[in-house]
Amino acid sequence: DSGVTQTPKHLITATGQRVTLRCSPRSGDLSVYWYQQSLDQGLQFLIQYYNGEERAKGNILERFSAQQFPDLHSELNLSSLELGDSALYFCASSPRRDNWEQYFGPGTRLTVT
Amino acid sequence: EDKVVQSPLSLVVHEGDTVTLNCSYEVTNFRSLLWYKQEKKAPTFLFMLTSSGIEKKSGRLSSILDKKELFSILNITATQTGDSAIYLCAVDPTTSGTYKYIFGTGTRLKVLA
Repeated sequence: DSGVTQTPKHLITATGQRVTLRCSPRSGDLSVYWYQQSLDQGLQFLIQYYNGEERAKGNILERFSAQQFPDLHSELNLSSLELGDSALYFCASSPRRDNWEQYFGPGTRLTVT
Repeated sequence: EDKVVQSPLSLVVHEGDTVTLNCSYEVTNFRSLLWYKQEKKAPTFLFMLTSSGIEKKSGRLSSILDKKELFSILNITATQTGDSAIYLCAVDPTTSGTYKYIFGTGTRLKVLA
């Protein structure tokens, strides 16, 4: 158990809908990273937050947005969902903004039908 | 375009065998290379490599980086069924403080009893 929690575990929704994925980092960790893992694309970095501020952006679509709250939990919002958004979404945390030793949560499996 | 290529895509071995997994990369800049093990769900951190020729070791696992030839290998000796997993390699192609890891698609290892 990494200490990172993610909810929900599974999510099934229809195309065009909007969902929110939630992540609580390990106690004391200030950085949160979001990843998308699909069968054909592998693991892709989406976005990083450090202490409430956006720190780095990867391959995140404009339909997706994220934020980190004062209590350091983070939410990833996915809107206008398409079938291709079906994937496993991981959150990871680390204590510092450039710490490469990241601890991954169990993931949220999103299925768009 | 920055890319990370892992080989083989998949391999099956018997317990006790030694395996070598490869990760080659082409990036504009290089900062670090990470290895992760992904079993059922979330990846777990194995090694971070930044310097050529320095072997990192953890039990039966070891890894080394060659920055001249742009590759890294992950060795697992005396494999056990518990080593069955997907092994992911990721490269950070940035030299600034921002973070932007690029992941390979992984090598799927299956160890038979």
